[in-house]
Amino acid sequence: GQQVMQIPQYQHVQEGEDFTTYCNSSTTLSNIQWYKQRPGGHPVFLIQLVKSGEVKKQKRLTFQFGEAKKNSSLHITATQTTDVGTYFCAASSGNTGKLIFGQGTTLQVKP
Amino acid sequence: ETGVTQSPTHLIKTRGQQVTLRCSSQSGHNTVSWYQQALGQGPQFIFQYYREEENGRGNFPPRFSGLQFPNYSSELNVNALELDDSALYLCASSLEGVFGSPLHFGNGTRLTVT
Repeated sequence: GQQVMQIPQYQHVQEGEDFTTYCNSSTTLSNIQWYKQRPGGHPVFLIQLVKSGEVKKQKRLTFQFGEAKKNSSLHITATQTTDVGTYFCAASSGNTGKLIFGQGTTLQVKP
Repeated sequence: ETGVTQSPTHLIKTRGQQVTLRCSSQSGHNTVSWYQQALGQGPQFIFQYYREEENGRGNFPPRFSGLQFPNYSSELNVNALELDDSALYLCASSLEGVFGSPLHFGNGTRLTVT
């Protein structure tokens, strides 16, 4: 079945440093969504990307969808302690709209 | 707008027992998906319910079953519990028919099987 792979699994940064997580698939994706899960919490929707080469920004967060629609990235500029958590990408399985999640990248930010 | 609510929040069961987890979807949402999240892992898709019918299933055995009710709330039933079933069970509601409709998750039920 369809899988999405995320790297890295863990990232420790100093507050103020940048952070990037990558999401890759062997198949073309119809769309990709990003979620954030705080420690002890549940995944919360951040954004959806649909178009080839699409770039979206939310304050310090920049999301990109690859030209071939097989990869995506999330970049955080100047991390803050509030950015701590696990970031998941999730892709629709076929035409069903059901989401398959990656393994996540856990971000730790040292103040 | 009422969010997704799950009950109970925590549960401890013995191997071989059966368990029922409950989920109320967000108002206006007609689709419910269930996910299993083991510690340190991403959510694994169990199944989705739409119009009271199972609308897709992940790689889980038949002892995982579910129901959706006319008010769109849902239940997840697990029979013959195994130690590996210990996990956070997440329910998420969404709007079927809306492409890429984001999932709205509940806080989850933490199941421990001893």
